[in-house]
Amino acid sequence: DQQVKQNSPSLSVQEGRISILNCDYTNSMFDYFLWYKKYPAEGPTFLISISSIKDKNEDGRFTVFLNKSAKHLSLHIVPSQPGDSAVYFCAASYTGANSKLTFGKGITLSVRP
Amino acid sequence: GAVVSQHPSRVICKSGTSVKIECRSLDFQATTMFWYRQFPKQSLMLMATSNEGSKATYEQGVEKDKFLINHASLTLSTLTVTSAHPEDSSFYICSARTSGGIQYFGAGTRLSVL
Repeated sequence: DQQVKQNSPSLSVQEGRISILNCDYTNSMFDYFLWYKKYPAEGPTFLISISSIKDKNEDGRFTVFLNKSAKHLSLHIVPSQPGDSAVYFCAASYTGANSKLTFGKGITLSVRP
Repeated sequence: GAVVSQHPSRVICKSGTSVKIECRSLDFQATTMFWYRQFPKQSLMLMATSNEGSKATYEQGVEKDKFLINHASLTLSTLTVTSAHPEDSSFYICSARTSGGIQYFGAGTRLSVL
């Protein structure tokens, strides 16, 4: 059972435009959400996170929005740059001493020059 | 962000040999580290949670005798793939969790078993 779902496997956007990456989750116990960026043959790089007590968190070009009632979060990248082309993973966890991350399958973002 | 170092980045070994992979948190202490495996075009699959000073917690279906984990200090966890076989060939990634709850990942280890 996929508790974190990234239903769109890929997204292509023009440089300078906004990229919107979506993520849905089913476990209502999740209270902490993270986005990671990954290049081939490398480990994921942490981008941004959000706690369930917030509905928005912004860091430079990256903004994460959380809609708890819909169990949905999204990552906005604006403006998109060719260097943003990578696989983006959404991950979720819940409060606990040894809480582990549950990852989605990832979305491949391609930013066209 | 925090830095996690993973070594080696790539290893090729013969079937039946054992391979050790190291994961170090360079600028923070991590009581909890994690070991993942990634298959081509798939998400990261958690193999085990490594707890400093205690036994690792393995996910269902992961053989603890096959994948030995040692977390002897607050900055080092090791994964040993014992008696490796070609089906163990994969991309292994470790992560270390900060006190703030963010996991930072190593660069991964590509294991190829001949």
